[in-house]
Amino acid sequence: GAGVSQSPSNKVTEKGKDVELRCDPISGHTALYWYRQSLGQGLEFLIYFQGNSAPDKSGLPSDRFSAERTGGSVSTLTIQRTQQEDSAVYLCARGGTGANVLTFGAGSRLTVL
Amino acid sequence: GIQVEQSPPDLILQEGANSTLRCNFSDSVNNLQWFHQNPWGQLINLFYIPSGTKQNGRLSATTVATERYSLLYISSSQTTDSGVYFCAVGPNFGNEKLTFGTGTRLTIIP
Repeated sequence: GAGVSQSPSNKVTEKGKDVELRCDPISGHTALYWYRQSLGQGLEFLIYFQGNSAPDKSGLPSDRFSAERTGGSVSTLTIQRTQQEDSAVYLCARGGTGANVLTFGAGSRLTVL
Repeated sequence: GIQVEQSPPDLILQEGANSTLRCNFSDSVNNLQWFHQNPWGQLINLFYIPSGTKQNGRLSATTVATERYSLLYISSSQTTDSGVYFCAVGPNFGNEKLTFGTGTRLTIIP
């Protein structure tokens, strides 16, 4: 979506490898979200960043998942020792202003072989 | 947490038809949004509508918060309306803790 850039768009990796997924929102939006969408499913909340507050990590499925946000802008989602069940599309969104809507990026499709 | 159910799960219509998609939720909400995910996976926000009625062209939405449901209406369907429609709800005015439904897959046949 406009203003939210995610990379890579596609990532194929072998089981057990680490992967990093990147999200670059328009600066000035302090709220940033990561969601996961498995094939044919709805969106599953992973983690939420809001300004300088501690991130809400309540949706991370295991300790293999971590995320950071540097300088209040770019965020990286890291999955260590990937498993086949980690295969999904990982979506990043920025929190809106005014109408308070979410704006999503195009997602990073992760396939773990 | 809040449970979100969407119906129908699948809907196939001829171009020009009208449709109504439903979102039921299990608890009071202060945030409700409708999204369209196109066949290429891009999610686009359609409405922010925790209560009341809004219209945008051929689309309109109504949320009856006291009865815990929201409806999305699509009139005069076009093939570009195809995709999955998601409802997302949350207890707060902000976007944190949003819970998404499993969606309604709409296919418009020319």
